[in-house]
Amino acid sequence: KQEVTQIPAALSVPEGENLVLNCSFTDSAIYNLQWFRQDPGKGLTSLLLIQSSQREQTSGRLNASLDKSSGRSTLYIAASQPGDSATYLCAVRDRDDKIIFGKGTRLHILP
Amino acid sequence: DGGITQSPKYLFRKEGQNVTLSCEQNLNHDAMYWYRQDPGQGLRLIYYSQIVNDFQKGDIAEGYSVSREKKESFPLTVTSAQKNPTAFYLCATGQGLNTEAFFGQGTRLTVV
Repeated sequence: KQEVTQIPAALSVPEGENLVLNCSFTDSAIYNLQWFRQDPGKGLTSLLLIQSSQREQTSGRLNASLDKSSGRSTLYIAASQPGDSATYLCAVRDRDDKIIFGKGTRLHILP
Repeated sequence: DGGITQSPKYLFRKEGQNVTLSCEQNLNHDAMYWYRQDPGQGLRLIYYSQIVNDFQKGDIAEGYSVSREKKESFPLTVTSAQKNPTAFYLCATGQGLNTEAFFGQGTRLTVV
């Protein structure tokens, strides 16, 4: 059974710092990996999608990498801002077309 | 306006009652998903449907039922058999195994 783990569970950093969020998964037979952002009480906003054949994707200050063979992905946020404060969720799409989530990392950027 | 519409945003249910949560999409996506989110638990898959008139159980299907009679709609019924239904429910859609999933804004269900 596919399991997705996100480390750390929570993170507080001063504004302006670069930071890395980690995601690991147990079964490398995935179609893609997607990073989402969730604000309190809201739905999920897609940030980046990495196909299984890709190594990384970039969007603005965000960069996500994927090492499928080792079951790992990282989300790099450059020059963090208070508006980046949210919960970040990692999800993999498995061979049965299920989308399986980690429990998320709660990020707080200190002004 | 394209997207996924979940309604209502807030829903209150008395114990012992069934309640149906609506999820409608105009993205023309084949796949639709229902998740439940509890504090500290992340998102857990309840049911998903890859095509009209077909659906599969997720990890926590007990006490829930779904139908997929139309491509645009995937309603979720929370039955009285669900012992702890208070949660935030999220609907998602996707098109193809290599594409993004998109989420609605969620329905918060509270049992009173």
